[in-house]
Amino acid sequence: ILNVEQSPQSLHVQEGDSTNFTCSFPSSNFYALHWYRWETAKSPEALFVMTLNGDEKKKGRISATLNTKEGYSYLYIKGSQPEDSATYLCAPGGATNKLIFGTGTLLAVQP
Amino acid sequence: DTEVTQTPKHLVMGMTNKKSLKCEQHMGHRAMYWYKQKAKKPPELMFVYSYEKLSINESVPSRFSPECPNSSLLNLHLHALQPEDSALYLCASSGRVTDSNQPQHFGDGTRLSIL
Repeated sequence: ILNVEQSPQSLHVQEGDSTNFTCSFPSSNFYALHWYRWETAKSPEALFVMTLNGDEKKKGRISATLNTKEGYSYLYIKGSQPEDSATYLCAPGGATNKLIFGTGTLLAVQP
Repeated sequence: DTEVTQTPKHLVMGMTNKKSLKCEQHMGHRAMYWYKQKAKKPPELMFVYSYEKLSINESVPSRFSPECPNSSLLNLHLHALQPEDSALYLCASSGRVTDSNQPQHFGDGTRLSIL
């Protein structure tokens, strides 16, 4: 059973602050690492799927890095906005695209 | 708007009832998934269908019965559920189960309450 840990559990920041979260996962038998954003009352939205060690992906003000050898990924948000408030979930994916989700980081951005 | 449509959005049922949750996608995806999400917990995988065949059953009790009648539809038939089965049920799809570098597309979920 995969042990996927995310930290912090929750985070409150002011509008304009930059922030980052961590996802830790077992480094053996790595296939892919998914990041999702899940706003209340909406469906989880895919942000990134990362597969290569050292990979860095960017989507607007959000970026992510991946270290498959030590089993961690960072998600960064630059200049947080209230609309960034959501739960951010990471999930290692296996050979059959079976996702094991971490417990998530709940981000609240105060205007 | 989500590309994966789930109905109903909310469902309240008694423990003796039989009901079904429905999921539909028209993206040509051949992998479809059911997840269960309890409050303050991450989604947990229940079933995976690949090319309309059951690929993974995560030891789900038989009171949950999945069905994939065609490549666009995924159902979850419910019978004799327990109060602890109250949860948000999410459906997702992706191109193929072997494409681990492809994201899954999620529906908005069905909020299920068992009385």
